Amino acid sequence: DTGVSQDPRHKITKRGQNVTFRCDPISEHNRLYWYRQTLGQGPEFLTYFQNEAQLEKSRLLSDRFSAERPKGSFSTLEIQRTEQGDSAMYLCASSLGWIQSSYEQYFGPGTRLTVT
Amino acid sequence: AQTVTQSQPEMSVQEAETVTLSCTYDTSENNYYLFWYKQPPSRQMILVIRQEAYKQQNATENRFSVNFQKAAKSFSLKISDSQLGDTAMYFCAFKFGNEKLTFGTGTRLTIIP
Repeated sequence: DTGVSQDPRHKITKRGQNVTFRCDPISEHNRLYWYRQTLGQGPEFLTYFQNEAQLEKSRLLSDRFSAERPKGSFSTLEIQRTEQGDSAMYLCASSLGWIQSSYEQYFGPGTRLTVT
Repeated sequence: AQTVTQSQPEMSVQEAETVTLSCTYDTSENNYYLFWYKQPPSRQMILVIRQEAYKQQNATENRFSVNFQKAAKSFSLKISDSQLGDTAMYFCAFKFGNEKLTFGTGTRLTIIP
């Protein structure tokens, strides 16, 4: 399967613990995005990378969140000192593209985080 | 900042009928892209159709078509001959410049056999 993959698919953690999610984009895609989706809402943008460079971060991405994309391939999203409000589906997407391009973003299956 | 509004939280339609999902957006930009994404239950989001704002012709993809009204900032999705597999959450999304997508809150569509 050459689609976007995310690991783990589900994560249950206790408040205050750190968690890390991984996203493997489609291999030739230079752009990688993270979104967060809470129940009943549309996905909200968190951050995105072009190759290994993190080009934009949303105000939603507090200091407890950090994302990396070493070598421009897979990406990790880490949440430190998790809070119950962090419970959500974390979606990763990848695409080809440059400014103003219309290239489609391909989404992964998501990682559902539950903070107890 | 751009905003996307979907005013129909839920809709249902009989199989084989036609249904239209509404979306409005707000932007001061002139060149942008609009999308409809489908998120089936417990499955990943996939692109249904996209529209470039500079194109006057409405996009179509098989049974899916849009009614793009740029002046009114309206972007509705029409699904013809609806099928059971069309049951899903549908999200309208906007994109300009830096490539991030801004989504609406979604419409839950149920196709009734």
